[in-house]
This record gives sequence, structure tokens and C-alpha cells, in this order.
Amino acid sequence: GQQLNQSPQSMFIQEGEDVSMNCTSSSIFNTWLWYKQDPGEGPVLLIALYKAGELTSNGRLTAQFGITRKDSFLNISASIPSDVGIYFCAGLYAGNMLTFGGGTRLMVKP
Amino acid sequence: KAGVTQTPRYLIKTRGQQVTLSCSPISGHRSVSWYQQTPGQGLQFLFEYFSETQRNKGNFPGRFSGRQFSNSRSEMNVSTLELGDSALYLCASSSGTGLDNYGYTFGSGTRLTVV
Repeated sequence: GQQLNQSPQSMFIQEGEDVSMNCTSSSIFNTWLWYKQDPGEGPVLLIALYKAGELTSNGRLTAQFGITRKDSFLNISASIPSDVGIYFCAGLYAGNMLTFGGGTRLMVKP
Repeated sequence: KAGVTQTPRYLIKTRGQQVTLSCSPISGHRSVSWYQQTPGQGLQFLFEYFSETQRNKGNFPGRFSGRQFSNSRSEMNVSTLELGDSALYLCASSSGTGLDNYGYTFGSGTRLTVV
């Protein structure tokens, strides 16, 4: 089946730093979604991308739909403590089935 | 509008038992999808129901089943529980009619523990 490779798996952030993560796939997708999940909760949609090459922002978050339709990127600018959590990319090809990446865990540098 | 409601939040069952989980979607949404989340396998698609019909199905054994009622509420059932079925089960709601994935909203999940 389709697989999404998300990297990095985890990273430490310091307040004020910019953060980048990405997802790649061997298959194309028609829609890319980025979610954030806090402990004990379901994923919350951050950004949805519908067209190849699309660049969309949501506050300090910016995501891009790769031209090849096989990848997507999420950037968080000027990170703050509440950005801590697990970020997931998800791709949608057909139907209503999302394929998820393995997640990127954001933690605060001690 | 009210979000996606999943009940119960936590459940402990014994191997061999069966379990039923419930999901009430956002009012007006006709599509309900179920996902299993485990540390090892991540988030995996189970199945999707739209207007009381199963429209898509993931790669899970027949022990996992579901249904959707006329009011769009959905239930999923797992029979003959195994230890490996311990997971967070998430339900997602959307209109199900097209490119409105911004409406793909998840509930808080049901944490199932099989002992």
C-alpha cells in the first residue's frame, strides 16, 4: 500500500527557532493535510493543501504541496512552547482514506 | 457546532471478548471514518461509512467491523479481542462529498486496553 515517510521523527526546539519537517511518498496524492496531536487527544487539522505547488499559511505555520505531488513540507516560524506535540502529515489520493506519516515529535530543549 | 464525540473514552477488556465503540459525527456530516493508532504501526485506516454504507475499507481482519445509522452515528465492533488490538481508536467526520477535507475532523478517541 501507499507509505508516507515523515522526517525528522523527533526534534528539540528552543523558543523562537524555526522548525521544518517533511513527508515524502512513492505515490502521488491529490490532497495533503497536516495535523497536530496533543497527548490523549485526536489529531487537529492545521493546514490543507489541494493543488501541486500550493503554498498555504496558517499563522506561523506554512505548508507546501510538492510539485511532483509526492511530497509536502511544513514550517513553523518563531516556535513557542505550545508548539510541542506530534505533527502528522496525511495524504489523500481517492476516496476518503487518509494515509498518515509516522509523525514528528516536537520537544522543548531543556 | 459540536465536535466529533466518541464514547467511551477508555475501555479495558479481556482477550477473547468483543467490544463496541461509538462515534457521533458533526451535525450534517455524512461520512465517518475509523482509524487505529498504535505506537508501532501509527495511524491506520480501518473503514469509512457514508450514508449507512461502507464505502472504503482498510487492511484489517474481519474481526473489525462497523456500521452507520440513519442519523450518521457510527459504531465499530471488534470481536475476539487480541492483545495487539490495544490502541487508540479514532473516528473522523467529514461531509464525504468532495474536496472539503478541511471538514475532516477527528474525535478525541477511545483508548482500548486488552488484558
